[in-house]
Amino acid sequence: LAKTTQPISMDSYEGQEVNITCSHNNIATNDYITWYQQFPSQGPRFIIQGYKTKVTNEVASLFIPADRKSSTLSLPRVSLSDTAVYYCLVGGMNTGGFKTIFGAGTRLFVKA
Amino acid sequence: GAVVSQHPSRVICKSGTSVKIECRSLDFQATTMFWYRQFPKQSLMLMATSNEGSKATYEQGVEKDKFLINHASLTLSTLTVTSAHPEDSSFYICSARRGDSGLETQYFGPGTRLLVL
Repeated sequence: LAKTTQPISMDSYEGQEVNITCSHNNIATNDYITWYQQFPSQGPRFIIQGYKTKVTNEVASLFIPADRKSSTLSLPRVSLSDTAVYYCLVGGMNTGGFKTIFGAGTRLFVKA
Repeated sequence: GAVVSQHPSRVICKSGTSVKIECRSLDFQATTMFWYRQFPKQSLMLMATSNEGSKATYEQGVEKDKFLINHASLTLSTLTVTSAHPEDSSFYICSARRGDSGLETQYFGPGTRLLVL
């Protein structure tokens, strides 16, 4: 199962673009890359998912290079309410079934 | 779409009692649901994978006789913490796998805070 590595924490200011990179060197062919946001005492909230290249939705963009060994979540113009923990998950249907494992996550602090 | 609910949101119980937590996928069918536990300031730890109509698969170190999982339908999985003790106090989160859109995505419930006195 692919292990993910993210920075433990990041600081930013309101209005800035934030990029959080996740390393997943042993990602499998069937694995997708998914990012979640979690606030204290809440379940993780789905942000974005991709397999390769670039994916964009109304809240974020996800950049995945050709080798898929890393991915970058881009949050445009963050606000104070974006202060949270962001998790990169890699997983999918592989031998043994569908499975994903959470890494340590990145604590993002957005300052005024 | 893709809403997952949990009930109860928080529970306080005495040591030695059993607690049941329900996880429901409200607008999609989930053949696979997952149960996680999260301690303060830590990441989510996968406890078990629950497949509809079959036995759950537990992660190493998780006692299957203590954490009973039932996935009786495509929209409901339950986790029962049997003979709960203070060390079982934690935040329990379920997720449901949705694969009908061509992607493999997990959607998470809001979590259940368990406090064992």
